[in-house]
Amino acid sequence: SYELTQPPSVSVSPGQTARITCSGDALPKQYAYWYQQKPGQAPVLVIYKDSERPSGIPERFSGSSSGTTVTLTISGVQAEDEADYYCQSADSSGTYLVFGGGTKLTVL
Amino acid sequence: EVQLVESGGGLVQPGGSLRLSCAASGFTFSSYWMSWVRQAPGKGLEWVANIKQDGSEKYYVDSVKGRFTISRDNAKNSLYLQMNSLRAEDTAVYYCARVLGEFVVVPAAPDYWGQGTLVTVSS
Repeated sequence: SYELTQPPSVSVSPGQTARITCSGDALPKQYAYWYQQKPGQAPVLVIYKDSERPSGIPERFSGSSSGTTVTLTISGVQAEDEADYYCQSADSSGTYLVFGGGTKLTVL
Repeated sequence: EVQLVESGGGLVQPGGSLRLSCAASGFTFSSYWMSWVRQAPGKGLEWVANIKQDGSEKYYVDSVKGRFTISRDNAKNSLYLQMNSLRAEDTAVYYCARVLGEFVVVPAAPDYWGQGTLVTVSS
């Protein structure tokens, strides 16, 4: 089955830049999406179609894609950004959705 | 405002059945693919199933094929998940989610999520 691979954890100091990667063989053909999930809450879409930002999401959140890896970048990290982040995409057929294992972002 | 409200979760014995419901409002329900996504306690997100706008196409993760059935009633703006032959590994919070994009042909990703309903499979 198709898998997306994320680092389990990333740590940054406030004001620094956090980068969370996600790798998968089908990513050159399928868009990636990123979700933020805080404890006890439902996920929130923060990036869609690799690099688009939904309305209401701060500009410090951005996304990029290169080959089989996509990256979520959070510039000027704030304490409120501490959360779990999940990438999501589809298999090469576009039929089945898949999530990465999630990355816990810690703001030191 | 898009709202998705799940119900029907609870404690069920292994081998038992449960039907989850999701009431949708704030958007034209019949124009969107819909999804169920689950999250086991302390674990990551797992896509479970998708259903097309008119219910004519349904897709499932391998681990639930033949046991779970996704359905919808566009007249009632409601999404359902019938879960049979439940196993301990099905224990999770189940989220109802709208798929991004009105009238899309291929489902890509959830954009709005409900708050979830907890299903616990245990004897």
